[in-house]
This record gives sequence, structure tokens and C-alpha cells, in this order.
Amino acid sequence: GAGVSQSPSNKVTEKGKDVELRCDPISGHTALYWYRQSLGQGLEFLIYFQGNSAPDKSGLPSDRFSAERTGGSVSTLTIQRTQQEDSAVYLCASSLLSTGAQYFGPGTRLLVL
Amino acid sequence: DQQVKQNSPSLSVQEGRISILNCDYTNSMFDYFLWYKKYPAEGPTFLISISSIKDKNEDGRFTVFLNKSAKHLSLHIVPSQPGDSAVYFCAASAVRNAGNMLTFGGGTRLMVKP
Repeated sequence: GAGVSQSPSNKVTEKGKDVELRCDPISGHTALYWYRQSLGQGLEFLIYFQGNSAPDKSGLPSDRFSAERTGGSVSTLTIQRTQQEDSAVYLCASSLLSTGAQYFGPGTRLLVL
Repeated sequence: DQQVKQNSPSLSVQEGRISILNCDYTNSMFDYFLWYKKYPAEGPTFLISISSIKDKNEDGRFTVFLNKSAKHLSLHIVPSQPGDSAVYFCAASAVRNAGNMLTFGGGTRLMVKP
């Protein structure tokens, strides 16, 4: 079946603009995660959704970052008033349950000028 | 405070030989460990995982070993193939009711020479 998909694959924006990144998880996967990888850094957890439960936002770096998951499927990560340090690859992953292996999408490469 | 560390940024191995990638962790609450492979411009691909109740898990050419007392895990690839050339990340989680977000190491770039 189809894997995790993300859009756009690349995004260039100007400092101060808002951006929205989309993730379509694997069908039937109840858990959805957002991570990011900044240049020269490892992968960093951002936020986690499990079913209809309140998301775990403990990894979000600032209140400019928010995410939602509609209907327990598609998720959108929004970054408001982007800064240059937000430039990174944003990766979405899903897993069948809240435990178990996570499967990643190809990522969205965000560049803030 | 890096809870998961991969101390070797790169490793070069001859085709057909064994590749051993190492990973150390500090958080004793971690009880589930994974290895991912990543090619440029792609997301990480899941390879193999191990639960803390085991000390070894094998899948084809890939074997993961876990030494809980040393807080160390390793990935063995035998025999290594040129297509294995990629960046390998180890990841760990503490499974809990709210989910199991992964903590990643910094990655090791494996180069398998023909």
C-alpha cells in the first residue's frame, strides 16, 4: 500500500511569512508524529497525535508552531512568522499503534530566506 | 544532553565484509530501539527494531544486538553491499501511554566500497 506522503516536497519562503506543511499517514495508522532535521543536526521530535486524544506538543520549539490532525488522518503543521532558524527538513511519521515502528514520509524541505 | 549517541560519524567497509554500527544511550527508561537507513533527499526507512526484553534480533542480513547493562546497541550488516551505503540512525523510545516519540542519534554514514 501507499506509504506516508508529504507536501510540498520543497518550500522557500520569506522571513515573517506563515507556512503550512501537510502529511498523509499510512491508511489505518492511528499514531502520527512530526519531526524535523536541521542542517547538521539529528532528528528532533516535535508533536505526536494518537487517535482522538489531545496531542503531545512537548517538542514544539515555540508557540509559532502548531499542528492539527483532522478526522484522525491528515495532519497539517503550521509555522507562523517564520524565522531563518526554522529552515530544516520536516518529517512526518505514522505507526499502526502508539507503540511499534514508525514509518517516515519523504519530508518537506523548508528554506526561510 | 544527548540521550542517544552514535560516536562514529562515518564508516567505510569493503563489499562482502561485515559492517558494525554502534549506538550508546544514557536514558535507562528507553525500552525500544530501532535502526533506520536514510538516503539523501528521502525520509528515514525503518530497518529493524528490538525490545529491551531481547538481546538480539535478526532479519536477513541485518542483526541488532542490545546490551542493556552497557546501554549499548549495535547493527551488524553481513555481507555488506554497495546499496547499503547510506546514513544509519539509531533511535530509542520509552513506551508509555502517551506514545513513543523517538530520540535519534546523530547518524553514521556507511560507505560500502565495491
